[in-house]
Amino acid sequence: DAKTTQPNSMESNEEEPVHLPCNHSTISGTDYIHWYRQLPSQGPEYVIHGLTSNVNNRMASLAIAEDRKSSTLILHRATLRDAAVYYCILSPPVGYSTLTFGKGTMLLVSP
Amino acid sequence: ETGVTQSPTHLIKTRGQQVTLRCSSQSGHNTVSWYQQALGQGPQFIFQYYREEENGRGNFPPRFSGLQFPNYSSELNVNALELDDSALYLCASSLPDMGGYTFGSGTRLTVV
Repeated sequence: DAKTTQPNSMESNEEEPVHLPCNHSTISGTDYIHWYRQLPSQGPEYVIHGLTSNVNNRMASLAIAEDRKSSTLILHRATLRDAAVYYCILSPPVGYSTLTFGKGTMLLVSP
Repeated sequence: ETGVTQSPTHLIKTRGQQVTLRCSSQSGHNTVSWYQQALGQGPQFIFQYYREEENGRGNFPPRFSGLQFPNYSSELNVNALELDDSALYLCASSLPDMGGYTFGSGTRLTVV
């Protein structure tokens, strides 16, 4: 499995944008970039995924570098409920493979 | 949508015993995966079922086994429990080509 590199932790203030980086220099052409987050005492929650183009949904935006060797998850306005561990994962489409989780980035949000 | 439901939420077992954990998949999802999450670590893949057949397995010994039923609910069985089996066990369901997996809140297993 291709590997991802994320910072161990990041801090943000409430209502400010947050940019969570992920490096994946060994990504293959068929790998999708998935982001999940895990709030305390809960299972992981799907956030967003993409292949080549930038993606937006109600939770976040995903910006993918042109060479696909890095990506950034963007939370447009952080809230206290966004405090969680964020995982960047490379995988073929859902159902055809499984998720290999690293340690992720712990996002701390201050009021 | 009812989401993924896991039972029980917490469980304490003695070393050497056997345990069965249960998962009710989100309605219509025919793929279910199980993960083990030790404290402070990311989830580790155990195995995956698609339409009642195992179609992927992680680096876990044979004493970890599973079943998927016709209604797509699932079980994880662990025999001969060891202290290191203490962890949060997560179930996730999906449909192929869906946006992502839907995870349950997990079962916290403590082996003493």
